[in-house]
Amino acid sequence: GAVVSQHPSRVICKSGTSVKIECRSLDFQATTMFWYRQFPKQSLMLMATSNEGSKATYEQGVEKDKFLINHASLTLSTLTVTSAHPEDSSFYICSARDERGNTEAFFGQGTRLTVV
Amino acid sequence: AQSVAQPEDQVNVAEGNPLTVKCTYSVSGNPYLFWYVQYPNRGLQFLLKYITGDNLVKGSYGFEAEFNKSQTSFHLKKPSALVSDSALYFCAVRAGNNRKLIWGLGTSLAVNP
Repeated sequence: GAVVSQHPSRVICKSGTSVKIECRSLDFQATTMFWYRQFPKQSLMLMATSNEGSKATYEQGVEKDKFLINHASLTLSTLTVTSAHPEDSSFYICSARDERGNTEAFFGQGTRLTVV
Repeated sequence: AQSVAQPEDQVNVAEGNPLTVKCTYSVSGNPYLFWYVQYPNRGLQFLLKYITGDNLVKGSYGFEAEFNKSQTSFHLKKPSALVSDSALYFCAVRAGNNRKLIWGLGTSLAVNP
């Protein structure tokens, strides 16, 4: 299947700083990528849909100024958590679908963010 | 409204026994159904999907699932469980051309030696 790479896998940052998470489709082009947040022992919460070359579409309740998404190329989307607070600590996962024919989405390895 | 239900938070099964993880769904239009598995602190791995055709679909690691339109179910099964199958399993559905996946809450599978 298609490969999605997410980096970093783990990051610890201080309150008030910003953290950037990268999501790359390694062997296909993705016009759309998805960013999820997952709390311990809970399901995935879709945060936003990242659209190549245009603005991301945010889900209700997700602060677009806090979670900045940039999808500047067909293989890279980034999520920047700005002015991070301890409550932003979570597991963030990206996914992408190879729209040439596959119907399933492929996921990155996830990023464990800890804000101290 | 579109939704996915995984009625069991936890499933326990002895190694070597068959396992079933349940999933029911509600969507308008033809459903695209998926199962994913998640190991601790990892992203999700695709297991199998139903788009059209045979109701019984086979996927990775010996898993299979049966699409039942009348019962709107897509239960995940495996004839003989392994301890290494212990993980979190998610069912998801997409309605036709809709880009978003609707996720179940996940079922934690524990396979005991």
